[in-house]
Amino acid sequence: EPEVTQTPSHQVTQMGQEVILRCVPISNHLYFYWYRQILGQKVEFLVSFYNNEISEKSEIFDDQFSVERPDGSNFTLKIRSTKLEDSAMYFCASSESGILNPEAFFGQGTRLTVV
Amino acid sequence: DAKTTQPPSMDCAEGRAANLPCNHSTISGNEYVYWYRQIHSQGPQYIIHGLKNNETNEMASLIITEDRKSSTLILPHATLRDTAVYYCIVRSRSNDYKLSFGAGTTVTVRA
Repeated sequence: EPEVTQTPSHQVTQMGQEVILRCVPISNHLYFYWYRQILGQKVEFLVSFYNNEISEKSEIFDDQFSVERPDGSNFTLKIRSTKLEDSAMYFCASSESGILNPEAFFGQGTRLTVV
Repeated sequence: DAKTTQPPSMDCAEGRAANLPCNHSTISGNEYVYWYRQIHSQGPQYIIHGLKNNETNEMASLIITEDRKSSTLILPHATLRDTAVYYCIVRSRSNDYKLSFGAGTTVTVRA
């Protein structure tokens, strides 16, 4: 069964450092998403991406965040200058179509720890 | 701005049906009801969705009331592996890409 894969599974970084979280969406999917979940809290939407541009973003997704699809398979989330409060589980998701297809497939997540 | 209300937790006996309620009294005509679950901090997993008719797939059944103000997710034969947080999400399919997760219902299946 096709799946969304995320790397690394766990990343520890120092405050102020840049991190890049990587995702390989399902190959025929066209819509890509990042969500995050701070420990013990709700899953929060960050951003959706289609046709090489952001289609929607939340208030959380401020200037320190960026997304990119550098090639035909990878989808990345960059955090420019990490803060302690960025520590969370980050989930990538993809769907075949954004609005018409309700089923978003999620990866297993990257646990980001900022120290 | 939660659109759904779910009980925070419920227990279920293994092998029995688990009935998970969700209230969405402010749902509008173009909004669908989606159910996802999250097993122990893994990525959320899609279960089922519906508009107004009852739906069934290999994982579960979704019963939506006639006035669409509430719904019930039914896991017909709960197993220990169904222990998870279950999220009921209302989403428009016309202009809304994101899934808005609430706190969900923590379902514990007991042997």
